[in-house]
Amino acid sequence: GIQVEQSPPDLILQEGANSTLRCNFSDSVNNLQWFHQNPWGQLINLFYIPSGTKQNGRLSATTVATERYSLLYISSSQTTDSGVYFCAETSGSRLTFGEGTQLTVNP
Amino acid sequence: DSGVTQTPKHLITATGQRVTLRCSPRSGDLSVYWYQQSLDQGLQFLIQYYNGEERAKGNILERFSAQQFPDLHSELNLSSLELGDSALYFCASSVGQGLNSPLHFGNGTRLTVT
Repeated sequence: GIQVEQSPPDLILQEGANSTLRCNFSDSVNNLQWFHQNPWGQLINLFYIPSGTKQNGRLSATTVATERYSLLYISSSQTTDSGVYFCAETSGSRLTFGEGTQLTVNP
Repeated sequence: DSGVTQTPKHLITATGQRVTLRCSPRSGDLSVYWYQQSLDQGLQFLIQYYNGEERAKGNILERFSAQQFPDLHSELNLSSLELGDSALYFCASSVGQGLNSPLHFGNGTRLTVT
């Protein structure tokens, strides 16, 4: 089946730093999405990005479908960015999630 | 606010019992998905309904069942509960039948089986 690998598994930053999270796929990218799960457990859709680049404020994402990876950029990180970042890829009606990147932003 | 509403937020019950989790999708969304998140299994897809009909099944146990009603809200029924069923249960919704649009999650129901 589809395998989704995320790196790094853990990341600790100082407030204001930038970071890049990576997502690799075992199969052709299809309907890739990025999510943020905050410390209260809420899962928030950040990007729906099957290909190309999108930006939303301090966050941006790029998916290179032909090379089977996606990147999530966080600039000028804030403590509220802490939590787990998941990428997920679609196979039919099933969204397969990666293990996530645990991000901690310290003040 | 994703627009997806889940109730209750927390549920504590005993082994062997049965519970019902409820979900109202975002306005205009016809698909409802149920996911289970546990510490050892991560986020697991359980089942999808589209406009009242079951569309896809994932790792859903036979003790679990779901349905989507004409008003598009959905319920997930968990019976003969076991300790291992303790988890965060998410409902999500999207516009279409397939996952070719963003998936929006509710805040989840945290189930604790004692």
